[in-house]
Amino acid sequence: GIQVEQSPPDLILQEGANSTLRCNFSDSVNNLQWFHQNPWGQLINLFYIPSGTKQNGRLSATTVATERYSLLYISSSQTTDSGVYFCAVGGTETSGSRLTFGEGTQLTVNP
Amino acid sequence: EAEVAQSPRYKITEKSQAVAFWCDPISGHATLYWYRQILGQGPELLVQFQDESVVDDSQLPKDRFSAERLKGVDSTLKIQPAELGDSAMYLCASSMGPGDEQFFGPGTRLTVL
Repeated sequence: GIQVEQSPPDLILQEGANSTLRCNFSDSVNNLQWFHQNPWGQLINLFYIPSGTKQNGRLSATTVATERYSLLYISSSQTTDSGVYFCAVGGTETSGSRLTFGEGTQLTVNP
Repeated sequence: EAEVAQSPRYKITEKSQAVAFWCDPISGHATLYWYRQILGQGPELLVQFQDESVVDDSQLPKDRFSAERLKGVDSTLKIQPAELGDSAMYLCASSMGPGDEQFFGPGTRLTVL
């Protein structure tokens, strides 16, 4: 099946800092989503971005489908940004429309 | 704002007991997914429905797990009998159709003692 690798696994920032999270995947995909999992376990949709660039406030994402990677940018980080960020891909020939998740990046933003 | 509903939010049970989880997808979403997330890992698909039909249950442990979506709207996931290794977060998601953006419910956290 498709492999999804996220880096870094852990990231500690001071409030106000910027960061970049990376997601590499091993096959062509038709769906790529970024999620933030809050402390209660809910997955919050950040971006649906199988290709191109999108921005939403302090967050932006870029997917280069031909090179099989996606980047999530967080600018001017806040303590409320803490949590686990997941990249998930789907729409492959072998896995259908199910989402295959990476292991996540645990982000801690200190005041 | 439309959301995926799940209940219960938390469930504690003893091994060998039966448990059931319920999911109500966003209105109009034909595709419904059940995922399981073990602590420290990403979610993994258990079963996918298109309307009332199962389209992918390749990762569902069918000896103890069952899922149904009788009228193509809400869905129930059942475990019988529960085992210690079933302790996890069970997440329901829905999308307009296969390949569309998936939206997740708040999950049911299961603890098997």
